Amino acid sequence: DAGVTQSPTHLIKTRGQQVTLRCSPKSGHDTVSWYQQALGQGPQFIFQYYEEEERQRGNFPDRFSGHQFPNYSSELNVNALLLGDSALYLCASSSLRTEYEQYFGPGTRLTVT
Amino acid sequence: SQQGEEDPQALSIQEGENATMNCSYKTSINNLQWYRQNSGRGLVHLILIRSNEREKHSGRLRVTLDTSKKSSSLLITASRAADTASYFCATDAWGNNDMRFGAGTRLTVKP
Repeated sequence: DAGVTQSPTHLIKTRGQQVTLRCSPKSGHDTVSWYQQALGQGPQFIFQYYEEEERQRGNFPDRFSGHQFPNYSSELNVNALLLGDSALYLCASSSLRTEYEQYFGPGTRLTVT
Repeated sequence: SQQGEEDPQALSIQEGENATMNCSYKTSINNLQWYRQNSGRGLVHLILIRSNEREKHSGRLRVTLDTSKKSSSLLITASRAADTASYFCATDAWGNNDMRFGAGTRLTVKP
């Protein structure tokens, strides 16, 4: 049973560019949440997707957008990258059955130069 | 914004000793969860405790929750070098789907 997978593992981008990160949820899960974790900090909630709709959003600007596909996989897009967007981006999946128990992927390390 | 604060920020112990980490939070919660993270990798779920529970055990882990003090503790007994990691508490509230994490406790277990 594959867990949560994320791609790519690492990414280096330049200020002003756009980036797309991908996540495949754990088998049987239909809800995907995205988090940003700066170095030395705890994860910060970006948004959550369920049934292809953004169900809840954290305190992040509109430069951060997402999408969920019919197979429950998800993308996180960040436009007009800033140096401060450098972080570990974590995807977590869950289901109504497990509800609040979220399973995290290994993360994508984004470096903006 | 982060909901909880872990205490201490860093903890260093010898193998075999017990490790206790504390978490305080600010608003009423539905559940509180503890996660472990090794070297900036993905988070591993350790244990979930609901707001109507006071104590929960899982192997060498013991979690307590005091909703009147808005605090929780994680006890790792008979620690091993492999327990070296950062530990985070995360809370969720009724009607909210986001989890709020603290800044974590960095635990080092020396062999």
